Amino acid sequence: AQKVTQAQTEISVVEKEDVTLDCVYETRDTTYYLFWYKQPPSGELVFLIRRNSFDEQNEISGRYSWNFQKSTSSFNFTITASQVVDSAVYFCALSEISNSGYALNFGKGTSLLVTP
Amino acid sequence: DTEVTQTPKHLVMGMTNKKSLKCEQHMGHRAMYWYKQKAKKPPELMFVYSYEKLSINESVPSRFSPECPNSSLLNLHLHALQPEDSALYLCASSRLRGGNDGYTFGSGTRLTVV
Repeated sequence: AQKVTQAQTEISVVEKEDVTLDCVYETRDTTYYLFWYKQPPSGELVFLIRRNSFDEQNEISGRYSWNFQKSTSSFNFTITASQVVDSAVYFCALSEISNSGYALNFGKGTSLLVTP
Repeated sequence: DTEVTQTPKHLVMGMTNKKSLKCEQHMGHRAMYWYKQKAKKPPELMFVYSYEKLSINESVPSRFSPECPNSSLLNLHLHALQPEDSALYLCASSRLRGGNDGYTFGSGTRLTVV
């Protein structure tokens, strides 16, 4: 069963538009961790954020912001004023002890294309 | 040093070859991981090492053989691979098993089996 669902396979926006990437997760654990990673065409996975299940505060880092809502099991990611350099595949991931001892379980990813 | 270094970056090998992928980190992380990523798919966990001991093998075929000679180094030995094993192989490390303070990934080895 898919533990992390990223319903948007591909998104295309024009530079300076805001864009939100959706992530819905499923877990029975009370303690779990959620991550967002960016994967540019070069291949490396770049860590963006980690959130534990007890911290529902939203977070803002520059143009990036994250909205964690346990009530809807969602952890959405918004890029404000998108730039061409934001073009990449973005993965949401869940880490829980019941899954291989907190190994990362990735969603299928959302490919974001930002055009000039 | 805040990086995970993987070598080689690209590898082409025949089905009868033996090759090894190397992963190195000097951040003092005691957990290291191998992931496999096919094109347009998410990374899939293969192996987890914790304190240099194999703790998780996600039912990976024996033609993939991991090795952790010390706390900084992780190898993946390849033998008699199939073309469907062509993928990006990612190494990652974390301070402790579980990586709840974050995982650091290398840039990967793009493997092509011919």
